[in-house]
Amino acid sequence: AQSVTQLDSHVSVSEGTPVLLRCNYSSSYSPSLFWYVQHPNKGLQLLLKYTSAATLVKGINGFEAEFKKSETSFHLTKPSAHMSDAAEYFCVVSDRTNAGKSTFGDGTTLTVKP
Amino acid sequence: DTGVSQNPRHKITKRGQNVTFRCDPISEHNRLYWYRQTLGQGPEFLTYFQNEAQLEKSRLLSDRFSAERPKGSFSTLEIQRTEQGDSAMYLCASSRASDSHNEQFFGPGTRLTVL
Repeated sequence: AQSVTQLDSHVSVSEGTPVLLRCNYSSSYSPSLFWYVQHPNKGLQLLLKYTSAATLVKGINGFEAEFKKSETSFHLTKPSAHMSDAAEYFCVVSDRTNAGKSTFGDGTTLTVKP
Repeated sequence: DTGVSQNPRHKITKRGQNVTFRCDPISEHNRLYWYRQTLGQGPEFLTYFQNEAQLEKSRLLSDRFSAERPKGSFSTLEIQRTEQGDSAMYLCASSRASDSHNEQFFGPGTRLTVL
């Protein structure tokens, strides 16, 4: 069984300040982990993915995430928020032994204030 | 390669009517997934295909729901006797079976409103 918990349903930051979106996961096997972003009325876009090659993963638009097995966490960060980062963010776990489905967290809404 | 496409983008129907959605995956992808997303929630897995075979179905997929992928390319999702609780965004995604990490590429979704 696998599950994802996004610890914050809403995060609000000021433009130019750091962003931290928290994600904890549970997986019986070695997981693959993803962060997707969803802008209003747009499809889900992949930000980055962890595939065991490196624990610190760099993605698009300056986002990074660090896989910490001991903490079962995969938190998403960005040093400096931009207005265009305002969106819904989803953490996703995929069990490599069961390629049938991925499990999404409930999402974190990021608001960026000018 | 234009990505995953879904049609229609929006569908409004009356309770009790049947609706059908279509998904065209990325051409070289042999896995195809359907998800449902309601307001304020993350997408929930409904079902997936590898080529034309439907390999897994969620308990969310009641007997009013049926999905097909007859030739292993496009897929359809039909909802019979729609209910107001079926109102949601229906997302389709595709991936390569050769990708052990199962990175999925999503379409824009079909938003269903049941009146």
